[in-house]
Order: sequence, then C-alpha cells, then structure tokens
Amino acid sequence: AQTVTQSQPEMSVQEAETVTLSCTYDTSESDYYLFWYKQPPSRQMILVIRQEAYKQQNATENRFSVNFQKAAKSFSLKISDSQLGDAAMYFCAYRFFGNQFYFGTGTSLTVIP
Amino acid sequence: KAGVTQTPRYLIKTRGQQVTLSCSPISGHRSVSWYQQTPGQGLQFLFEYFSETQRNKGNFPGRFSGRQFSNSRSEMNVSTLELGDSALYLCASSQRTGAHEQYFGPGTRLTVT
Repeated sequence: AQTVTQSQPEMSVQEAETVTLSCTYDTSESDYYLFWYKQPPSRQMILVIRQEAYKQQNATENRFSVNFQKAAKSFSLKISDSQLGDAAMYFCAYRFFGNQFYFGTGTSLTVIP
Repeated sequence: KAGVTQTPRYLIKTRGQQVTLSCSPISGHRSVSWYQQTPGQGLQFLFEYFSETQRNKGNFPGRFSGRQFSNSRSEMNVSTLELGDSALYLCASSQRTGAHEQYFGPGTRLTVT
C-alpha cells in the first residue's frame, strides 16, 4: 500500500533563510507523481510544486525546489529566502495514475521575523 | 475563472444526525474528490467522482456517501454522525480523473456535538 510520511510535525525558519521539509513515501510503482501542497491559515490548499517520477531533474518553482531521490523514495522541499507568507502547513502527496492521492500528515512551518 | 466553492463553510450538528455538504468544481472540471482533514491525520481520501460515477473510494465506513450531478457539482453525505466525524472536509476538482493536479476548495468545518 502506498504511504507518505512526513517526520517533521513542526519546523521553523528565520526570515530570508532556507529550510528543507522532508517527505518519504512507499510504492512499488515506477511511474508516479509527487506533490507539495501548502495550506495557509486561511485553509485554501494550493499546489506548490510537482515532480514526475520519470524525470531525473528536480522540479523548481521560483524559491521552491525539490530534492527527489527515487531510489531512496525521498522527496524533500527546499524553500529559499523564506518569507512571512510562507508560513503554512505543508503536505507532501503521491499519486499513481488514475488512483487516489495519498497525503502525509503535514509539516507546520513557522517563519520568524 | 471562479475557484472551487464549498457550502456551507461551517456546520454544527448533533451526534446521530445526518449532514450534506456541497461542492461546485471549477468550470470545465469534471472530477471531484473529497477529503477529511483532522489534526494529526492529515488528509484522508474519501472518494472521487467523475462523470457522475464513483471512480475511487477510500477506507471510510458506509455512513459516508457521495454523488455527482450532470453539471459536475458534488455532494457528500454523512449519516448517523459520530463525534469523531468532526473535521474539515475538503473538496478538490480536476479536469479529468487521473489528472496530475487538483484544485482545492476552502473546506467545510463540521463540528459534531
């Protein structure tokens, strides 16, 4: 069964610094998608970044980048130049084609001014 | 283009009652998924509907049911409410089933007393 594990319930970072959120997953599939979602205190969940498993190159979206280690089944999110608006709950998610999304339990990120 | 809307936003019910939650997807999106979010559990997948048919189902009791209408709007029903059903219920829409990305609504906060 697919599982997604986020071992850091809470993280904090100083404004303008860099922080890395960890995520591991378990699957027997070779092609799948991985996602990081952000849920600010207002509760609207938004997609931060997406990674296709068949792509070796790590995805990047502005200040957000991932470190995808397929063999290790690891998918960490790096936030550079952290801003106050980055404070939110971050969820890692996995999806195999046509099947449901599997989410981790989330990491609450605090940005310290 | 309007986002995913959910009604009502907040709901208080008594144990044993039933409740119906509504979700209107983004225009043109035909897939709707439902999730239950509770602290410490993250997002738990309930079910996904596409073209009025349930495509995927999570591991929830039969008290949780859903349906989708021809205009892609979806409703979720919970019968015989229990205290443990208190949660944020999120709806997400995608252009099609198996799509890589989904867009979330603001959620319905259900409190069971």
